[in-house]
Amino acid sequence: EPEVTQTPSHQVTQMGQEVILRCVPISNHLYFYWYRQILGQKVEFLVSFYNNEISEKSEIFDDQFSVERPDGSNFTLKIRSTKLEDSAMYFCASTTSGGAIETQYFGPGTRLLVL
Amino acid sequence: GDSVTQMEGPVTLSEEAFLTINCTYTATGYPSLFWYVQYPGEGLQLLLKATKADDKGSNKGFEATYRKETTSFHLEKGSVQVSDSAVYFCALTLNQAGTALIFGKGTTLSVSS
Repeated sequence: EPEVTQTPSHQVTQMGQEVILRCVPISNHLYFYWYRQILGQKVEFLVSFYNNEISEKSEIFDDQFSVERPDGSNFTLKIRSTKLEDSAMYFCASTTSGGAIETQYFGPGTRLLVL
Repeated sequence: GDSVTQMEGPVTLSEEAFLTINCTYTATGYPSLFWYVQYPGEGLQLLLKATKADDKGSNKGFEATYRKETTSFHLEKGSVQVSDSAVYFCALTLNQAGTALIFGKGTTLSVSS
């Protein structure tokens, strides 16, 4: 069964460094998402992406974040200058179409630790 | 604002026990409601969903009914198995406001034999 994959599974970085989290969505999916979960807190929406543009973004997704689909398979989340509070599990998701009732398929997550 | 509240875990049950995980929501408009499950080391998977009031979602023996009058979507299973041990997330999308999922905090279920 097709699945969303994410790399790396764990990343440790120093505060102020740039990180890029990578996702490979399911191949025929058109809508892509990033969510994050700070330890002990809710899973929070960051951004959605369709047709090479951001569709929606939350208040969390400020100027230090960016997303890109650099080729036909990868979908990346870049954090330009990491802060301690960026430590979280980051989930990528994808779906075939953008309807509110569509199933979003999630990857296993990347655990980011900022020191 | 729009939000989902789940019962705090962890929930610890013996095999074949009855399971209820409470979920209530606050939303403007008419949301679609979801239960996602996360098994250890894996991503979130859709367990079931309901898109309008009084709809019942069901899958793998789990059920949840969309109750508009009580703004609830409680998850139930009549007889849990050890393999049901996981984290369960209640979530909603706002049909008129895009597709971002709004999640509850998650409830950890541990089932022992």
